[in-house]
Amino acid sequence: EVQAVESGGGLVKPGGSLRLSCAASGFIFSNAWMNWVRQAPGKGLEWVGRIKSKTDGGTTDYAAPVKGRFTISRDDSKNTLYLQMNSLKTEDTAVYYCTPQPFDSRIYWGQGTLVTVST
Amino acid sequence: DIQMTQSPSSLSASVGDRVTITCRASQDINKYLNWYQQKPGKVPKVLIYDASKLETGVPSRFSGSGSGTDFTFTISSLQPEDIGTYYCEQHDPGVTFGPGTKVNI
Repeated sequence: EVQAVESGGGLVKPGGSLRLSCAASGFIFSNAWMNWVRQAPGKGLEWVGRIKSKTDGGTTDYAAPVKGRFTISRDDSKNTLYLQMNSLKTEDTAVYYCTPQPFDSRIYWGQGTLVTVST
Repeated sequence: DIQMTQSPSSLSASVGDRVTITCRASQDINKYLNWYQQKPGKVPKVLIYDASKLETGVPSRFSGSGSGTDFTFTISSLQPEDIGTYYCEQHDPGVTFGPGTKVNI
């Protein structure tokens, strides 16, 4: 069973930083493309970015609202995905989901971790 | 960037009704489209992938069709447990979600 467990969420002031982690299991992590998707309170799903597998180049792509502020990385030896978030804004407040793509285009979902950016 | 639209934004139907949701992409995405269900207070779950393939374990009352820019998601006989919000998602290039369709009984 594909599993993803996020951690690291919390309350941070505008302009601050936070690093989220995602421990994944149930699939070959090194072969999977990994995404972060967020959902602001009462709103829809918003893709944040992804990192491809090393065999597919290990490259990253980001959504426009976070490009230049967020960085996705992975540690295949630990089956762990990271999201480094800098220069946080109030509009970044959301539940952040770690979403593996272990087989094909299908996205699977962790339980999410809440990030609140507020004074 | 590819933009996704969905219609309707919400609907209310009776148990046993056929429900149809449409999703439109701003440019040709071939069949690179998935559908997700998010029940209230729960995480999303994939139902349909690559436009028409049914995820393992998903009831056969759910189906998808389409290619290019126009896609359709259908629940052939709405059940009470189908209440929630449905999202389409394109994944080439990048990833974009539609705004969602809220389904009520």
